[in-house]
Amino acid sequence: QVTLRESGPALVKPTQTLTLTCTFSGFSLTTSGMCVSWIRQPPGKALEWLALIDWDDEKYYSTSLKTRLTISKDTSKNQVVLILTNMDPVDTATYYCARTDAARGGMDVWGQGTTVTVS
Amino acid sequence: DIVMTQSPDSLAVSLGERATINCKSSQSVLFSSTDKNYLAWYQQKPGQPPRLLIYWASTRESGVPDRFSGSGSGTDFTLTISSLQAEDVAVYYCQHYYSTPPGTFGQGTRLEIK
Repeated sequence: QVTLRESGPALVKPTQTLTLTCTFSGFSLTTSGMCVSWIRQPPGKALEWLALIDWDDEKYYSTSLKTRLTISKDTSKNQVVLILTNMDPVDTATYYCARTDAARGGMDVWGQGTTVTVS
Repeated sequence: DIVMTQSPDSLAVSLGERATINCKSSQSVLFSSTDKNYLAWYQQKPGQPPRLLIYWASTRESGVPDRFSGSGSGTDFTLTISSLQAEDVAVYYCQHYYSTPPGTFGQGTRLEIK
């Protein structure tokens, strides 16, 4: 069974750096085709894709946020970390991580999300 | 970047009737070498993470009821619910995964019961 779980601070102050961890099980990020993305959703608003890391350690970022984002993985711990610098109240959102199997496309398994408030 | 635009923003349909949601991409998401459209549809209910419904524009995810179907190619896509059930009330999103950066979502379509 594939599961993902997000963790990190619930509250950060403006200008601080947010570090979120996605801990997963049931698959390996060393397996060809496996990817993990981060997505966020401000309260009452649409989904926003943020970043993706793949099995080959290729990294992709949202154009609008790429100067503030860093994604990395620790395959020994089955974790993917997202760093978002210079936090602002507009970054208040639920942050999700999700898996993609590139052989199928789409994000087929999602974590429950973690809510981050910037204030 | 590819921009995804859904229509309508909201939709009210009677139980048992057909619901149709459209998604248009600013450039083609059909990859010629694989002949696949790199487009997915998701359903999100309140307080829940999104659920993958359709990938490759028309392939139903395992466990998704067959009243959900996806169609289209290139830049124009449609999600159809053939006979609306009460549990289908949700917000629906399309997403491309074609190019760099991958993953842009549409703005969402809210589906309600009339």
